[in-house]
Amino acid sequence: QKEVEQNSGPLSVPEGAIASLNCTYSDRGSQSFFWYRQYSGKSPELIMSIYSNGDKEDGRFTAQLNKASQYVSLLIRDSQPSDSATYLCAVTAEGTYKYIFGTGTRLKVLA
Amino acid sequence: DADVTQTPRNRITKTGKRIMLECSQTKGHDRMYWYRQDPGLGLRLIYYSFDVKDINKGEISDGYSVSRQAQAKFSLSLESAIPNQTALYFCATSYRGDTQYFGPGTRLTVL
Repeated sequence: QKEVEQNSGPLSVPEGAIASLNCTYSDRGSQSFFWYRQYSGKSPELIMSIYSNGDKEDGRFTAQLNKASQYVSLLIRDSQPSDSATYLCAVTAEGTYKYIFGTGTRLKVLA
Repeated sequence: DADVTQTPRNRITKTGKRIMLECSQTKGHDRMYWYRQDPGLGLRLIYYSFDVKDINKGEISDGYSVSRQAQAKFSLSLESAIPNQTALYFCATSYRGDTQYFGPGTRLTVL
């Protein structure tokens, strides 16, 4: 069973701090990695995609991928109360189109 | 206008009724997906379609059927709804196996 693991949280950080969200995956052949943000009752919204080892930055968000250790992380700098949401990690299984989603980490940014 | 739309947005029905959820997209994507989301269980794939003539079962297809009427339309049917099909349902699209974009969701309650 190919899995994607995330700590369910909640992860609480003060406003202005860095939030660090982590995700591990079991399929070594995974090739594409995605972070989605989901507000309660709403649909997942793409935050970042990353395909190769290293860091990828987009505004306040940085995705980090380490295929050898099979983890992907998302850093949110200068966290804002509006960042409070559930963050879903998704990984595509080797040789397929299919996403495998983690169950998400709930982030709370405290004003 | 939204790129991926779902109708209805909310539906309450009774056990044994037939229900159809519809998804339309204007993104020009070839691939379409149906997921359900339950608290604590994350997103689970019900069916997916690579094109009009290619439909495949996901991990939880029992009790569901689909129809890909056109490249832009993908419908999910519950032939005889049961209470444990109460969930949030999302349609998603992608171009080949790349990033998936989600519709706004349908909240279905089966009494």
